Amino acid sequence: GAVVSQHPSRVICKSGTSVKIECRSLDFQATTMFWYRQFPKQSLMLMATSNEGSKATYEQGVEKDKFLINHASLTLSTLTVTSAHPEDSSFYICSARDRDIWSYNEQFFGPGTRLTVL
Amino acid sequence: DAKTTQPNSMESNEEEPVHLPCNHSTISGTDYIHWYRQLPSQGPEYVIHGLTSNVNNRMASLAIAEDRKSSTLILHRATLRDAAVYYCILIKAGGTSYGKLTFGQGTILTVHP
Repeated sequence: GAVVSQHPSRVICKSGTSVKIECRSLDFQATTMFWYRQFPKQSLMLMATSNEGSKATYEQGVEKDKFLINHASLTLSTLTVTSAHPEDSSFYICSARDRDIWSYNEQFFGPGTRLTVL
Repeated sequence: DAKTTQPNSMESNEEEPVHLPCNHSTISGTDYIHWYRQLPSQGPEYVIHGLTSNVNNRMASLAIAEDRKSSTLILHRATLRDAAVYYCILIKAGGTSYGKLTFGQGTILTVHP
């Protein structure tokens, strides 16, 4: 089955630093990847939609200058949290759609990245 | 966008069937009904989806009401590994929101040994 990986799985950083999270589709090509954020005991919130070779589309209320998304290839999207602060501490999850499956079927989710900002 | 309503939590015993309901009274004709589940500290995983007809796969069955205003995810024999949050999500075919998943609060399923 299709596999999506995320790296790192867990990161702790100091306030004010930037953190980059990678999302890779391992055995398929993904034209579109999605980034979600999940706070403890809450549901997933879509942050942005990332399309290969074009600018990401951000959901309302998500600061595009703070959460930089790059989707440079069909297998890699990155999310950079710039000048992270404690309120950015969360579980960040990416998902990907298989380019070759034009259907309303599954999105494949990564295992998530736990970000803790001290 | 059409909204879904699910019970906050449900409990089941191991090896018993589980019926997880979802109401979507404002569903439109182009909305597909998808189910995902999220195990603790993991990303969600796809379970099943359907449009009008009931669907079966190796993980579960999806029963869709004739008027499509509700659906039920059926786990035929619950195991401890099925303990998760189950999300019922409507996905519109085509349009600018194509493929976007809007997660509600879901149903927390607890499975007792």
